[in-house]
Amino acid sequence: AQSVTQLDSQVPVFEEAPVELRCNYSSSVSVYLFWYVQYPNQGLQLLLKYLSGSTLVESINGFEAEFNKSQTSFHLRKPSVHISDTAEYFCAVKLAGGTSYGKLTFGQGTILTVHP
Amino acid sequence: KAGVTQTPRYLIKTRGQQVTLSCSPISGHRSVSWYQQTPGQGLQFLFEYFSETQRNKGNFPGRFSGRQFSNSRSEMNVSTLELGDSALYLCASSDLGEQYFGPGTRLTVT
Repeated sequence: AQSVTQLDSQVPVFEEAPVELRCNYSSSVSVYLFWYVQYPNQGLQLLLKYLSGSTLVESINGFEAEFNKSQTSFHLRKPSVHISDTAEYFCAVKLAGGTSYGKLTFGQGTILTVHP
Repeated sequence: KAGVTQTPRYLIKTRGQQVTLSCSPISGHRSVSWYQQTPGQGLQFLFEYFSETQRNKGNFPGRFSGRQFSNSRSEMNVSTLELGDSALYLCASSDLGEQYFGPGTRLTVT
């Protein structure tokens, strides 16, 4: 079975500072990787995904994540955060192929708080 | 395209009652997955339906059930509600593996 560990439950940063949210996964087979963001009282929004190809993936709002197979990590980074980035971020994995179909396994979440 | 919709958005029930939640996927999506989100357990997979068939199931008791209709709309049912069933229930529809989530139904059991 696969599992996901988000190493920080809370990350406080100041506006315009860089941030890294850490995610490690465990799986004996190939996986697809995702980062979702959740704002208060809302559902999850897909931030970015790694399915195959380039190990560096980017979102339209400045976040990026790098898939590192040897370290089984998929850390999320942003060089300069805004107040509006305050939210909870979830790392998730899905088995590539096989019978996992739509099943996502999530980490426990990291609350990012951006202070002015 | 309209996004995933879930009804109702908020629900208060009493222990022992049953509840039905509804999810309408994005038009054209045939897969619908359900997740339970609680502060203690985080996001946990309940089950997934594809073309009216359950094709994946998480580790939840039999009190949790679901179904999918021919138009891909899905319902989940929880019978004999317990206090621990209080949670945000999220539905996601998918196409080619990427899942899109609805706003959720906040269920409170008193």
